[in-house]
Amino acid sequence: GENVEQHPSTLSVQEGDSAVIKCTYSDSASNYFPWYKQELGKGPQLIIDIRSNVGEKKDQRIAVTLNKTAKHFSLHITETQPEDSAVYFCAPRRGSTLGRLYFGRGTQLTVWP
Amino acid sequence: DTAVSQTPKYLVTQMGNDKSIKCEQNLGHDTMYWYKQDSKKFLKIMFSYNNKELIINETVPNRFSPKSPDKAHLNLHINSLELGDSAVYFCASSQGLGTSGIYNEQFFGPGTRLTVL
Repeated sequence: GENVEQHPSTLSVQEGDSAVIKCTYSDSASNYFPWYKQELGKGPQLIIDIRSNVGEKKDQRIAVTLNKTAKHFSLHITETQPEDSAVYFCAPRRGSTLGRLYFGRGTQLTVWP
Repeated sequence: DTAVSQTPKYLVTQMGNDKSIKCEQNLGHDTMYWYKQDSKKFLKIMFSYNNKELIINETVPNRFSPKSPDKAHLNLHINSLELGDSAVYFCASSQGLGTSGIYNEQFFGPGTRLTVL
């Protein structure tokens, strides 16, 4: 499967600060780049995604940026709130993976009030 | 009206036993998956079914046998449980495979925490 690396593995920020998580992938044929959020005791949930023909996408306080040349994409969360505390996973993929997601190892984000 | 549901939520059992986990989705999706999440939160695909047919088996031991009686259900039976099987198992579903389904969101169930003693 795809080699996916996520950094940092843990991230602590003060409420109101910004948080950035980076995902690096190896498969140059990847063309879809989602981010999933997993709250404690729950399953992962898609929060934002981007396709390969787009460089940036925003949805209120979250955004994703893509650098296809360098093969990495990042999740940006602004004005963080305690409810943003969760584990975040990237899962880059291409069409031939028959639906399966290859997740990064996750980033534990903690937002302190 | 839960989209993807799993039962049970917790399962504690002895080594060597056989157990099953059930999954149901009411989203009308044609593809269902099982993922395993270990104690370090690493999520790994195990199986994928499309229209009740096995599509992917990610080198999972044959002690694990998924069964899909219909498109809305994907159950996981595990024989001769081992300590290393302790994990959280997630069922997920989505619509479409390959290039037709690449952009379709996968919806995950709440997980089943399996503890093997």
